[in-house]
Amino acid sequence: RKEVEQDPGPFNVPEGATVAFNCTYSNSASQSFFWYRQDCRKEPKLLMSVYSSGNEDGRFTAQLNRASQYISLLIRDSKLSDSATYLCVVTNNKLIFGAGTRLAVHP
Amino acid sequence: NAGVTQTPKFQVLKTGQSMTLQCAQDMNHEYMSWYRQDPGMGLRLIHYSVGAGITDQGEVPNGYNVSRSTTEDFPLRLLSAAPSQTSVYFCASRNSWRANSGNTIYFGEGSWLTVV
Repeated sequence: RKEVEQDPGPFNVPEGATVAFNCTYSNSASQSFFWYRQDCRKEPKLLMSVYSSGNEDGRFTAQLNRASQYISLLIRDSKLSDSATYLCVVTNNKLIFGAGTRLAVHP
Repeated sequence: NAGVTQTPKFQVLKTGQSMTLQCAQDMNHEYMSWYRQDPGMGLRLIHYSVGAGITDQGEVPNGYNVSRSTTEDFPLRLLSAAPSQTSVYFCASRNSWRANSGNTIYFGEGSWLTVV
């Protein structure tokens, strides 16, 4: 079993849709969690950190459920520019990435 | 502030050749790591380091060596290149190796390696 697993995608949604991604992790000792965005042929870039209490940044909301060992990302009012691959990242003494979920937003 | 600098950006190797991918960061980060990214596989950890003189293996270390003689540099060496090592390689750094530090991860721009 992989340490970090994500919804495989791709998610194809129209502009304005709400879309949610999930990510599960196997190491209960994991302590920090992030969502990264990666555009085609580019390096990953931080979208947001994920805190135990949940956090929101504009149209993006991240949640952490330690009991069930998963994190989620909700994107409201999707834009064409949101099309990318979304990677969840979990840390214990090293950084472990999920395989990524591809999002394609169409007009 | 240059951040994380990776070189070369593109490289073609013949099977059996050796080469070194360079990675340098100017942020005095403790933690540095190398990943490879293949289609549908996400980023897989090759090797990582939590400080100068300390390295450890990640998920896919075979065929690669690393060293961390200084805080700034973390080169990745391919000992005898194989077609299976054709991939995109990313170097990443983070201020602290501590799991609960919450520090942002900084990436280099990637190195596209083709082994023929």
